Amino acid sequence: EDKVVQSPLSLVVHEGDTVTLNCSYEVTNFRSLLWYKQEKKAPTFLFMLTSSGIEKKSGRLSSILDKKELFSILNITATQTGDSAIYLCAVRRSWGAQKLVFGQGTRLTINP
Amino acid sequence: GAVVSQHPSRVICKSGTSVKIECRSLDFQATTMFWYRQFPKQSLMLMATSNEGSKATYEQGVEKDKFLINHASLTLSTLTVTSAHPEDSSFYICSARQGLAGGRSSTDTQYFGPGTRLTVL
Repeated sequence: EDKVVQSPLSLVVHEGDTVTLNCSYEVTNFRSLLWYKQEKKAPTFLFMLTSSGIEKKSGRLSSILDKKELFSILNITATQTGDSAIYLCAVRRSWGAQKLVFGQGTRLTINP
Repeated sequence: GAVVSQHPSRVICKSGTSVKIECRSLDFQATTMFWYRQFPKQSLMLMATSNEGSKATYEQGVEKDKFLINHASLTLSTLTVTSAHPEDSSFYICSARQGLAGGRSSTDTQYFGPGTRLTVL
């Protein structure tokens, strides 16, 4: 059975800190891994990763995938209170399987 | 681009009634739409995958007669919760995946709607 595990489940830091969120997976015929940010409503897309070792970057957020060790990390530097959200990791298998399998999410709280 | 809308955003209904939720892709054609539900402080749980013009594929444990899905066009899918009960109260979210021109395989990225909060009294 496909499995996506995120850690930590909850994290509280001070504004300005750097955080690293983890996502490990066990998926048959892995194709891609996606990161989403969920605030009060539906998730918004952050990154899609398909190749190992290539860092994707958007402002203070960056992410990288390790297909050998079956995990990905999401880094947020110089955190701001607006970064407070649930961060979801999801994976998709190759050919035929269209659905995403989501992890439990990491609830990140940034205190001023 | 890649905007997905849902309607209504919030609905409160009495036990035993049916509720229809619409999911629309506003600026792209969605060959596949997905319906999720999310309980408080939990992750998204996929309920069903809906392909335009064909029957939906339901996940294990999801009653297809209770959660009716129709994907009549490339921009609209509907979820009808029939004979709703209080335990059906949840946050229902749809997502849509963009199909590429010429019938080639679609992209991996799913774009989510804003969600519908259903409360059954």
